[in-house]
Amino acid sequence: DAGVIQSPRHEVTEMGQEVTLRCKPISGHDYLFWYRQTMMRGLELLIYFNNNVPIDDSGMPEDRFSAKMPNASFSTLKIQPSEPRDSAVYFCASSLAGLAYEQYFGPGTRLTVT
Amino acid sequence: GQNIDQPTEMTATEGAIVQINCTYQTSGFNGLFWYQQHAGEAPTFLSYNVLDGLEEKGRFSSFLSRSKGYSYLLLKELQMKDSASYLCAARGDGGATNKLIFGTGTLLAVQP
Repeated sequence: DAGVIQSPRHEVTEMGQEVTLRCKPISGHDYLFWYRQTMMRGLELLIYFNNNVPIDDSGMPEDRFSAKMPNASFSTLKIQPSEPRDSAVYFCASSLAGLAYEQYFGPGTRLTVT
Repeated sequence: GQNIDQPTEMTATEGAIVQINCTYQTSGFNGLFWYQQHAGEAPTFLSYNVLDGLEEKGRFSSFLSRSKGYSYLLLKELQMKDSASYLCAARGDGGATNKLIFGTGTLLAVQP
């Protein structure tokens, strides 16, 4: 298997622009997670899906952030409008059966908002 | 509140043993993970403890004491490639859903 695939790997954008991050989970994994990682706050769980349905989005920092999973093989995380404090590495991960199981992380998207 | 504490940095010598500690406070408790993350890379799974005690997996072992809210990761026969950040994460009870809280990681430097 190719593992979890994320795109783009790097994104540089200006404040106020819309940013869309993309993720393809491992085939057969029913759970998909979006994380944000910064030096100050470490790794934070933003939202996770089970069978394409959002289960817990309490980690999403504010309304500027939204996530969708239209099918089992694709998810997006959108930031609109973006702000400099959104600069971070965003990871997507998938697992077979939820939080009690090993998660496989994608390579991450390094986002820089200027 | 929910919180994870682990040391920010540690240094150890190649071939030695190192123990990385983690204390946690969660609303409810449903298990504890350790992940390894090399610089510029994604985290990779090391271990998952639900019950008290030590679980060994090759050179790596993980220990859990639920009554003390404490875990450690033990790395034996250290190799240079073990230089990485080690993340502790606890599953808590979020009511209708479970919560997964990560610590900020312990950066381990293995020296020759």
